[in-house]
Amino acid sequence: DQQVKQNSPSLSVQEGRISILNCDYTNSMFDYFLWYKKYPAEGPTFLISISSIKDKNEDGRFTVFLNKSAKHLSLHIVPSQPGDSAVYFCAASDPEAAGNKLTFGGGTRVLVKP
Amino acid sequence: DGGITQSPKYLFRKEGQNVTLSCEQNLNHDAMYWYRQDPGQGLRLIYYSQIVNDFQKGDIAEGYSVSREKKESFPLTVTSAQKNPTAFYLCASSIAGTSARQFFGPGTRLTVL
Repeated sequence: DQQVKQNSPSLSVQEGRISILNCDYTNSMFDYFLWYKKYPAEGPTFLISISSIKDKNEDGRFTVFLNKSAKHLSLHIVPSQPGDSAVYFCAASDPEAAGNKLTFGGGTRVLVKP
Repeated sequence: DGGITQSPKYLFRKEGQNVTLSCEQNLNHDAMYWYRQDPGQGLRLIYYSQIVNDFQKGDIAEGYSVSREKKESFPLTVTSAQKNPTAFYLCASSIAGTSARQFFGPGTRLTVL
């Protein structure tokens, strides 16, 4: 049973416009959420995170929103650039689980068209 | 230059052979992890270690083994018991404790012929 889901496997957006990636989770114990960006045949790189005590975190062109009641988070990229074309994973951490384990969603492939 | 290294980048093995994937980090992190990624899927946890000489099974540990004899190193052995070993393997590390960002290596693509 997937505890973290990214229901959109792919997203296409025009350069300069906003990209919105969504992530839903089922485990109410998750209290820390991260977004990673991954290029083919490379390891994921950290983008941005948010703690459950916040509802928004911003870092440059990237903003993550958290709606705890809906168990939903989203990543906004604005403006989108061709270099943003990659697969994006959301991940969640349960403080009760041993070892700082992260549970990952299935990923959303973003294509930014010039 | 701090980071995580995985070698080799690409690995080919015949069916029935064990193979060991290397992971080294110089970030002074206590915790290390091994994930597997299959096409179109997310990352699934194989094994993790919070401290030297200790490790725990993740969600898909069957057919894999690990060791953690040194803080810097966390090698993964893919045994012949792993039914579908062809995949992209990722190693990660983090500081100890909860809500800690994990840093990933570049990955090893294993193909079993």
